Amino acid sequence: NAGVTQTPKFRILKIGQSMTLQCTQDMNHNYMYWYRQDPGMGLKLIYYSVGAGITDKGEVPNGYNVSRSTTEDFPLRLELAAPSQTSVYFCASQGQETQYFGPGTRLLVL
Amino acid sequence: AQKITQTQPGMFVQEKEAVTLDCTYDTSDPSYGLFWYKQPSSGEMIFLIYQGSYDQQNATEGRYSLNFQKARKSANLVISASQLGDSAMYFCAMREDSNTGNQFYFGTGTSLTVIP
Repeated sequence: NAGVTQTPKFRILKIGQSMTLQCTQDMNHNYMYWYRQDPGMGLKLIYYSVGAGITDKGEVPNGYNVSRSTTEDFPLRLELAAPSQTSVYFCASQGQETQYFGPGTRLLVL
Repeated sequence: AQKITQTQPGMFVQEKEAVTLDCTYDTSDPSYGLFWYKQPSSGEMIFLIYQGSYDQQNATEGRYSLNFQKARKSANLVISASQLGDSAMYFCAMREDSNTGNQFYFGTGTSLTVIP
């Protein structure tokens, strides 16, 4: 069973480039989340979605955009990459009481 | 103010002993959930245990139990009979429930090392 999958696993971006981090879940969960984890820190919520067509900002949304056209997919878009966006990005979906996390995407912006 | 506070950056425990990892939280919402996650050196986030704000009893999951003291706003994780594989970062998190959805907040984590 796949659970939550994320692609790519690792990416290097130049300043000003854009990219989309992909996230897919196969558990039919309505709630999905994007987090970033900076070195030695906990996770910070970027955006979340309570269902297809509905998204909302988390604690650190600046520099990111999301969309939720289907229940399964919740891509995260970086439009103009900045060195401050160097981080590990986790996608998660929520069941009854549990968040299931993807394996993460390590992003380096140079 | 910090939503989740974990005051122990690092902890050591002898194998087979019990250990308590501290977590305090700050919210004015009546409905919220408290979570603990384990992050091994490989980097994945593993759900351990959940406690709802209206739950009367402390949550337990195998060797993990959550000591929920609502008046003190604390949600400490107790790991019994520590194993070498328990060495990892542990994160406390809170979900604030509202009409429009959820906000999640994580603490800065506690690094647990189990000594043989």
